Amino acid sequence: NAGVTQTPKFQVLKTGQSMTLQCAQDMNHNSMYWYRQDPGMGLRLIYYSASEGTTDKGEVPNGYNVSRLNKREFSLRLESAAPSQTSVYFCASSAVYRAGNQPQHFGDGTRLSIL
Amino acid sequence: SQKIEQNSEALNIQEGKTATLTCNYTNYSPAYLQWYRQDPGRGPVFLLLIRENEKEKRKERLKVTFDTTLKQSLFHITASQPADSATYLCALPNNAGNMLTFGGGTRLMVKP
Repeated sequence: NAGVTQTPKFQVLKTGQSMTLQCAQDMNHNSMYWYRQDPGMGLRLIYYSASEGTTDKGEVPNGYNVSRLNKREFSLRLESAAPSQTSVYFCASSAVYRAGNQPQHFGDGTRLSIL
Repeated sequence: SQKIEQNSEALNIQEGKTATLTCNYTNYSPAYLQWYRQDPGRGPVFLLLIRENEKEKRKERLKVTFDTTLKQSLFHITASQPADSATYLCALPNNAGNMLTFGGGTRLMVKP
């Protein structure tokens, strides 16, 4: 029972390169989320998918796109990476979409450096 | 603007003592508040959820209080152990109710 799995765990990119971060959950959860975590800033929501087939912007969506591929998988794409996107990216899921009363289950993150 | 404040300085305590962490918020009216634990290099792990009509909630050695008048939650770990050393995050829904927002976390160090 893996929970939330993120790939890759580490990645170094050059400015302007693109890449996709992958996330999969095996808990049959309806809702999935992408966060970034920066020192002194806490976790900030980039995008979320309340249910399969829907996606919505979070607090810091600029420079990112997402795809809810199916109920299990939610990917995050950087089309043209910038140094400001250097961060640790976390994917999370919850059983249903209720912003406050649903625990979120997190993966162990992707550490992304953009040079 | 909405703000969640947790003490950014590490809290150092001796094993066996009670650790108390604070989460203060402004310009929020949350119906729920959550606490998470995060170990270095790992994702946050959910610990407890408390509702606005619950003044206190307990789980094993953990206790959370929620004072909507003071706009504050306290997180207590009794009989602390070195294994409790981690960063603890509080989280609450924004006023639009469409996302969970997190505090910056407080690092707890329990010394043997």
